[in-house]
Amino acid sequence: AQSVTQLGSHVSVSEGALVLLRCNYSSSVPPYLFWYVQYPNQGLQLLLKYTTGATLVKGINGFEAEFKKSETSFHLTKPSAHMSDAAEYFCAVSKASISSGSARQLTFGSGTQLTVLP
Amino acid sequence: KAGVTQTPRYLIKTRGQQVTLSCSPISGHRSVSWYQQTPGQGLQFLFEYFSETQRNKGNFPGRFSGRQFSNSRSEMNVSTLELGDSALYLCASSSGQSLNTEAFFGQGTRLTVV
Repeated sequence: AQSVTQLGSHVSVSEGALVLLRCNYSSSVPPYLFWYVQYPNQGLQLLLKYTTGATLVKGINGFEAEFKKSETSFHLTKPSAHMSDAAEYFCAVSKASISSGSARQLTFGSGTQLTVLP
Repeated sequence: KAGVTQTPRYLIKTRGQQVTLSCSPISGHRSVSWYQQTPGQGLQFLFEYFSETQRNKGNFPGRFSGRQFSNSRSEMNVSTLELGDSALYLCASSSGQSLNTEAFFGQGTRLTVV
């Protein structure tokens, strides 16, 4: 079964510091992985996605993630945190339906709340 | 290009009532998925529709149902509401069903059952 695990439900960093949000996946086949961000009372916004090809993926707002097959990880990083980065971040894997192979669903991690301290 | 539109944004219902939520996908997108978000269970998949057909369903009771219209707009219905149905309901649209196709989410409908 394909799933993702996010380590750390809450992460605090100082403004200007490195942001590192951890995501590990479990998959028997090459996964399609996504990072989404959710601001209070909002929906989910796609930050970046990994499908195939380059293992370092660049996304919006200065975020990037590196797919490491040997570590089954897809950690999200940003070199310098900004106050506006405070939000909840979700890692997700796309998997096919068991009953209908042509359909798909996103399975999300439990989320990491990022706090940026002034 | 307009994003995914969900209406209403907020709803308050009484236990036992039923509710219908609406989702208009991005123009040209034929796949619509629904997710329930709660503090305790996180984000859980409800169902997915493609070209008016339900293609995939999550592990929710039959009180949760949905449909998709020929213009790709989708509705989900919850009957006999329970307190535990209080949640943020998110709709997502995609241009296709490939596993690497990104899903674009609406702002959600916040349902409160009292």
